[in-house]
Amino acid sequence: DVKVTQSSRYLVKRTGEKVFLECVQDMDHENMFWYRQDPGLGLRLIYFSYDVKMKEKGDIPEGYSVSREKKERFSLILESASTNQTSMYLCASSRRNQPQHFGDGTRLSIL
Amino acid sequence: ILNVEQSPQSLHVQEGDSTNFTCSFPSSNFYALHWYRWETAKSPEALFVMTLNGDEKKKGRISATLNTKEGYSYLYIKGSQPEDSATYLCAFSGSNTGKLIFGQGTTLQVKP
Repeated sequence: DVKVTQSSRYLVKRTGEKVFLECVQDMDHENMFWYRQDPGLGLRLIYFSYDVKMKEKGDIPEGYSVSREKKERFSLILESASTNQTSMYLCASSRRNQPQHFGDGTRLSIL
Repeated sequence: ILNVEQSPQSLHVQEGDSTNFTCSFPSSNFYALHWYRWETAKSPEALFVMTLNGDEKKKGRISATLNTKEGYSYLYIKGSQPEDSATYLCAFSGSNTGKLIFGQGTTLQVKP
């Protein structure tokens, strides 16, 4: 079974902090994705990566950056956290054009 | 910006009822259409990936159809059970990159 592991289920940070959300997959998938999910807005793509060191902006990249130094790990970075980044963050991975496999999510609160 | 619309937004049915919901997506540059089920306190799970116009897929009591020319897909649940309660997401892919655009989901509540 594919396993996508997100480093934290719940996280509380302060405004202005630099926040790292980590995601690891164990199936050698080329693609990895970061989404945020907000009530009434569905899943919105922040960034995705189709190979090591390759990344592409999604629909809402502002305020975020990503890092993919190794194939199995995709990190989402909030450079200077703000209260409007309080949300549920989901990581996913897939082979090209195959279904995505999701982690359990990180519920991030920025105070 | 490409739009993927799902309707209805939410649905309440009795156990044993059959139900269906709709996903509308752009009919140009179609590559694939995904359906996912997202149960509370769990992560989304893939149900189907459909690529060809006229595709029909089935998994137990759940089935889906695809019309790429007019840009819609239907998800059907026959004889709904309480364990079918979840949010059902569809997602459109317009290229071979694997990037998906998700709809807002249809939340189904099945009452025993």
